[in-house]
Amino acid sequence: QKEVEQNSGPLSVPEGAIASLNCTYSDRGSQSFFWYRQYSGKSPELIMFIYSNGDKEDGRFTAQLNKASQYVSLLIRDSQPSDSATYLCAVKAAGNKLTFGGGTRVLVKP
Amino acid sequence: DGGITQSPKYLFRKEGQNVTLSCEQNLNHDAMYWYRQDPGQGLRLIYYSQIVNDFQKGDIAEGYSVSREKKESFPLTVTSAQKNPTAFYLCASSPLAGTRYNEQFFGPGTRLTVL
Repeated sequence: QKEVEQNSGPLSVPEGAIASLNCTYSDRGSQSFFWYRQYSGKSPELIMFIYSNGDKEDGRFTAQLNKASQYVSLLIRDSQPSDSATYLCAVKAAGNKLTFGGGTRVLVKP
Repeated sequence: DGGITQSPKYLFRKEGQNVTLSCEQNLNHDAMYWYRQDPGQGLRLIYYSQIVNDFQKGDIAEGYSVSREKKESFPLTVTSAQKNPTAFYLCASSPLAGTRYNEQFFGPGTRLTVL
């Protein structure tokens, strides 16, 4: 049973719109949550991390965490074609291991 | 330049061969990790190490071995016991072992193909 779930997509978004990505996790003891962006054929790149309930903003990206409902989301405002990639959600529970979701593929159409 | 390097970028293995993938970091990070990624899937943890001369199995360690003789280096050997080794292999490191943050940063990856 997967511990971190993401919709595989593709999520098709018009240029300039908001892309909304969701991630749910099963371990209530999870402490920290990470979003990575991965372009095709490349390695993942850390975009944001969050560990407190609520919103965290960094430029065009906003991470939202709701521990009671066990989900974390990523909003991409003013989406650009360069945002087209796969976005991986990762969750850290006790210990130092991250558990990754399968990723959501995002396509931003000009 | 600080960062994580992996070599080679592409690797071809014949059936029955052992191969070793290199991972080096000059970020002075304590912890290092090896992941495997199959097409269209997320990352699965193979092995990780929080300190020199110590490492732990991840979720899919069978058919793989590692060593951590130096803080900067964490090589992965894919043995002949690994029946389906064709995948994208990613090495990562993180600065603080044992804390809640544990941001992991990735190297460029090695793409292994079995002929």
